[in-house]
Amino acid sequence: SAVISQKPSRDICQRGTSLTIQCQVDSQVTMMFWYRQQPGQSLTLIATANQGSEATYESGFVIDKFPISRPNLTFSTLTVSNMSPEDSSIYLCSVEGQGGIADGYTFGSGTRLTVV
Amino acid sequence: QQPVQSPQAVILREGEDAVINCSSSKALYSVHWYRQKHGEAPVFLMILLKGGEQKGHDKISASFNEKKQQSSLYLTASQLSYSGTYFCGTGGAGSYQLTFGKGTKLSVIP
Repeated sequence: SAVISQKPSRDICQRGTSLTIQCQVDSQVTMMFWYRQQPGQSLTLIATANQGSEATYESGFVIDKFPISRPNLTFSTLTVSNMSPEDSSIYLCSVEGQGGIADGYTFGSGTRLTVV
Repeated sequence: QQPVQSPQAVILREGEDAVINCSSSKALYSVHWYRQKHGEAPVFLMILLKGGEQKGHDKISASFNEKKQQSSLYLTASQLSYSGTYFCGTGGAGSYQLTFGKGTKLSVIP
């Protein structure tokens, strides 16, 4: 399966600032997904990022708050902008397995964000 | 629409069996199962793509009842390593996006 390097692994940020999270994949992938997971909760899809086109955002998430870049087929960034304590969460990127859908999705190790 | 998982939590002794259910009010086209250990990323277990499909490896298997719009994950002869939170993720027709259930926390004790 694909190997994802996600960083930073954790950060503590001041409210009103922004944090950019990076995901690097060891193979080319068409789609990358960004999720948010509150501690002990489920995974909520933020957006789907395709190379060469704008990301598609799920209901409740907007580009101004969570801008995404996808400059090539192995890399993507998610920025959490103008942060507030409510943005404290774990953010994960995910890609489809090497063998396609039959291999499910692989997740990055996550970024634990605390906003103070 | 978020699928509903049951039970929310279960405690097993080593060697016991468990069943985790995942049901949806919408038509299901695919069901994924993942296990997440504390502080780690979710790990893919298996995917079911069509009604009636059953899959398994080792002592973990799953079934998909398309008519009832539900899937079940079966863990037999549980081991300590099975502890974690199990999530089902459901996909719609032609969609790569998954909607995850709230998870089932499984604790296996000696």
